[in-house]
Amino acid sequence: EAGVAQSPRYKIIEKRQSVAFWCNPISGHATLYWYQQILGQGPKLLIQFQNNGVVDDSQLPKDRFSAERLKGVDSTLKIQPAKLEDSAVYLCASSLILNEQFFGPGTRLTVL
Amino acid sequence: GEDVEQSLFLSVREGDSSVINCTYTDSSSTYLYWYKQEPGAGLQLLTYIFSNMDMKQDQRLTVLLNKKDKHLSLRIADTQTGDSAIYFCAGSGGGADGLTFGKGTHLIIQP
Repeated sequence: EAGVAQSPRYKIIEKRQSVAFWCNPISGHATLYWYQQILGQGPKLLIQFQNNGVVDDSQLPKDRFSAERLKGVDSTLKIQPAKLEDSAVYLCASSLILNEQFFGPGTRLTVL
Repeated sequence: GEDVEQSLFLSVREGDSSVINCTYTDSSSTYLYWYKQEPGAGLQLLTYIFSNMDMKQDQRLTVLLNKKDKHLSLRIADTQTGDSAIYFCAGSGGGADGLTFGKGTHLIIQP
């Protein structure tokens, strides 16, 4: 079974630029999550989708972050405009049952 | 909301047992998890325990849950160099809820 795929793996941008991350979950997994992991900390949930609907986006900074999951499969997370404090690893996870979340390798974002 | 605390570092000798501890604040946490993260890699689910259980064993891994003290531990028997990683404790309210993670414990293996 293929795992969660994410791209790009690394991205370097300057502050105030825009960036987008892509995630392809494990086939058949209805629930998809985006987490932000700042260096030295545990991952923090940004947004959770059930199929193509948002379940929880309470910790998403909506003035600059947006996410969508069209057709209930792939998802994109966008930051516009980026700030220095957005430098982090962005992790995508998906789950089918019992909240067993499977994580992708992450996208490491550096904002200069 | 949930708060999860872990000590930042643990150093053990190869072959000894490692015990990584975690405390959480939300007594309604239904599921408690241990994840492993190796350098440059994503998170790997090691094991999880339901809140109605006290212990779960899976090969070299033993999870103990003390609900009264809101304390969770992960014991790794016969620790090997390949166990060197960051171990995260996480909790959720259940169902498909998002996870709340601790800051992670760096497990350092001494030869």
